[in-house]
Amino acid sequence: EVQLVQSGAEVKKPGESLKISCETFGYSFTKYWIAWVRQTPEKGLEWMGIIWPGNSETKYSPSLEGQVTISADKSTNTAYLQWSSLKASDSAMYYCTRHEDGLGWSIFDYWGQGTLVSVSS
Amino acid sequence: DKQMTQSPSSLSASVGDKVTITCRASPYTDVHLCWYQQKPGKAPRLLIYRASTLQTGVPSRFSGSGSGTDFTLTISGLQPEDFATYYCQQTFVTPPTFGPGTKVE
Repeated sequence: EVQLVQSGAEVKKPGESLKISCETFGYSFTKYWIAWVRQTPEKGLEWMGIIWPGNSETKYSPSLEGQVTISADKSTNTAYLQWSSLKASDSAMYYCTRHEDGLGWSIFDYWGQGTLVSVSS
Repeated sequence: DKQMTQSPSSLSASVGDKVTITCRASPYTDVHLCWYQQKPGKAPRLLIYRASTLQTGVPSRFSGSGSGTDFTLTISGLQPEDFATYYCQQTFVTPPTFGPGTKVE
């Protein structure tokens, strides 16, 4: 059974660093892209970026590039999303999701349960 | 980024009703359109991809149609477990973008 299990909720102060995780089970980790999606009441669902764990190739949303880092560890089948300096505006629910595509189609078929990040002084 | 709009933003329905939700992409997105269902406190769940292909395990009362810029999600015979928020998403270009959602209550 495919599962994506995310790390727990975080409460941080502005300027602090953070790394959240997404551990995967039940499929070949290096053969599917993993994306991160942010959700806030103000902006809804936003695709942040994606990684191919096989070679760590990453693509970022232009609006977020430079603000976050996506990485993956093949030895633990885990993807990560990290910040070096959090802002209050980073407060959101974060989801990891597996991406699969083929000829003429593209889907995000399995999702983690979400990690709530709260940033406040 | 490609812009997605949905209508209505919310609707009131009863069990057994036929519900239709519309999504518009600007500009053109061919058939690279997915629909997701999200319940409070849960992650989105993929219902339909390629505008009209039902994801494995999704009940057949859900259907999708459309191409180009205009798409529709239909629930034929609303069930109690279908009260949720529904999002469309284009996957034609990167970054993939989501609509603002339609809450079925």
